[in-house]
Amino acid sequence: GENVEQHPSTLSVQEGDSAVIKCTYSDSASNYFPWYKQELGKGPQLIIDIRSNVGEKKDQRIAVTLNKTAKHFSLHITETQPEDSAVYFCAASIGNQGGKLIFGQGTELSVKP
Amino acid sequence: DSGVTQTPKHLITATGQRVTLRCSPRSGDLSVYWYQQSLDQGLQFLIQYYNGEERAKGNILERFSAQQFPDLHSELNLSSLELGDSALYFCASSVGSGHTYEQYFGPGTRLTVT
Repeated sequence: GENVEQHPSTLSVQEGDSAVIKCTYSDSASNYFPWYKQELGKGPQLIIDIRSNVGEKKDQRIAVTLNKTAKHFSLHITETQPEDSAVYFCAASIGNQGGKLIFGQGTELSVKP
Repeated sequence: DSGVTQTPKHLITATGQRVTLRCSPRSGDLSVYWYQQSLDQGLQFLIQYYNGEERAKGNILERFSAQQFPDLHSELNLSSLELGDSALYFCASSVGSGHTYEQYFGPGTRLTVT
């Protein structure tokens, strides 16, 4: 069935290092891939997204890459800061089902000062 | 602040009871989505409404129902509550109904069933 796998489940980095989170999806009709950041006690916040006609998208310290052939996409955070510490979720759209999104299980990122 | 509002923030109730969660979308958004977040299941899509009509459905239990009103706010009704229904319930909204529109999440309602 429809599935999104996300790795790693936890990630600890030193301030200033880069962090990479990877996701794979199963539905070949998926064409929209958002990333969300969730801080404790808050709702998920959209931080970046990519559509299937684009291979890479960058917004300041955050970038996302997409490989449709391999059905995987990744989030890259450079020059990490303590305020980047949160749980990050990837998601993929499901073809022909309105706005339905399937989410990965989340990655808890810890940035140590 | 995403502009999506949800009430109440917290809800504690007993098994077998019924509750209603409320969501107001961002100004101008016509789609409303409901998600359930639990520790073991992660973020699960429940249902989507667009301009008052059901647009997509996930693994929503028959004990759960939702609707979107003419003023575009939405309500999620949970009945015959079980301990396993304890979770965070999020509402999200987007401008359109398709799968490429950005979804913005509200702060959530924490439901505890005792």
